Amino acid sequence: GAGVSQSPRYKVTKRGQDVALRCDPISGHVSLYWYRQALGQGPEFLTYFNYEAQQDKSGLPNDRFSAERPEGSISTLTIQRTEQRDSAMYRCASSLEAGTGLGKLFFGSGTQLSVL
Amino acid sequence: DAKTTQPTSMDCAEGRAANLPCNHSTISGNEYVYWYRQIHSQGPQYIIHGLKNNETNEMASLIITEDRKSSTLILPHATLRDTAVYYCIVREAAGNKLTFGGGTRVLVKP
Repeated sequence: GAGVSQSPRYKVTKRGQDVALRCDPISGHVSLYWYRQALGQGPEFLTYFNYEAQQDKSGLPNDRFSAERPEGSISTLTIQRTEQRDSAMYRCASSLEAGTGLGKLFFGSGTQLSVL
Repeated sequence: DAKTTQPTSMDCAEGRAANLPCNHSTISGNEYVYWYRQIHSQGPQYIIHGLKNNETNEMASLIITEDRKSSTLILPHATLRDTAVYYCIVREAAGNKLTFGGGTRVLVKP
């Protein structure tokens, strides 16, 4: 596609439910990143992939958060047993290069998650 | 990655140059300086990056001091659409994680 696509655009869920957020990166982009952003703050790194390999998951806050990118393209961020503090904008980004990539990330519009 | 320090906010006059400072006194030799901006609720947008030489593209200019401990992003002719949060980030070329700080909230006024 023309840009990074995320779905759903909005997700409202009840505390304790599991949610899956989807990211479709720009075609051909090797690296895929997940960030989350609280209102009024900068994006917070969660994890990233090169192709299908998860390279860094140091930003995942706890073991309720996981991500996968099984075929090196679409990625899913899963949050199990959601809590109210998980409410945030979840943003996905992709970049063309890996390894010595020059840091030019393209971001999607994000998924606004609200946990009631 | 080295941390950066930016003013929390600044105002700029429409049509004038906007100069956004960033301090990165602990930057190491292999770390690049990147600038992104985020307009309202959109995703961050890449602006420019550099290592030690000054850089210019269609969006902005990046001036890096000789000791590399600080830099300035210059928007040559600010427009109302440049109102955004601007993030200065330093990152190793080989590392793929971009760590965002709080950024500078820039308001361009008519």
